[in-house]
Amino acid sequence: DSGVTQTPKHLITATGQRVTLRCSPRSGDLSVYWYQQSLDQGLQFLIQYYNGEERAKGNILERFSAQQFPDLHSELNLSSLELGDSALYFCASSVGGQETQYFGPGTRLLVL
Amino acid sequence: QKEVEQDPGPLSVPEGAIVSLNCTYSNSAFQYFMWYRQYSRKGPELLMYTYSSGNKEDGRFTAQVDKSSKYISLFIRDSQPSDSATYLCAMSLNAGNMLTFGGGTRLMVKP
Repeated sequence: DSGVTQTPKHLITATGQRVTLRCSPRSGDLSVYWYQQSLDQGLQFLIQYYNGEERAKGNILERFSAQQFPDLHSELNLSSLELGDSALYFCASSVGGQETQYFGPGTRLLVL
Repeated sequence: QKEVEQDPGPLSVPEGAIVSLNCTYSNSAFQYFMWYRQYSRKGPELLMYTYSSGNKEDGRFTAQVDKSSKYISLFIRDSQPSDSATYLCAMSLNAGNMLTFGGGTRLMVKP
């Protein structure tokens, strides 16, 4: 158990809908990272927050957004969902300025 | 061409074998190198990390980085069926930066 928690574990929804994925980092970690894992693209970085502020952005779609709250948990919002958004979404956390990122168990999203 | 290349496998070995997993990369600015293990439908689990070139050993695992060749390796000694998983290499430019992953190598260790 990495100490990173993610909810929900599974999510099934329809095209055009909006969902919110939640992540709680390890105790003491200030950085939260979101990654998407799909069969064709592998694990890809989406976005990073550090102590409530956006730190870095990857190939995140405009339909996707995230935020980190004062208690350091983070939410990833996915809107206008398409079939191709079906994937595993992972959250990772690190102390901040450290190279070791610890991953949560992921949320499996299925868009029908 | 992807920034980090990894043979997808599957790699099938008998129990007790020495396993060699490899990644090549194109960006010479990468400084931090990691290996993660991912069991089916689970999150990646950090196994090893190294900074710059050199070797690092932890139990049955040895990580090697050759920056001059842009090549990293993970060796698993005395492989066990419980080592059967997908192994992902990852790297970053600086500490705390985003990770760039290889596609993963699926390893099967047969009893």
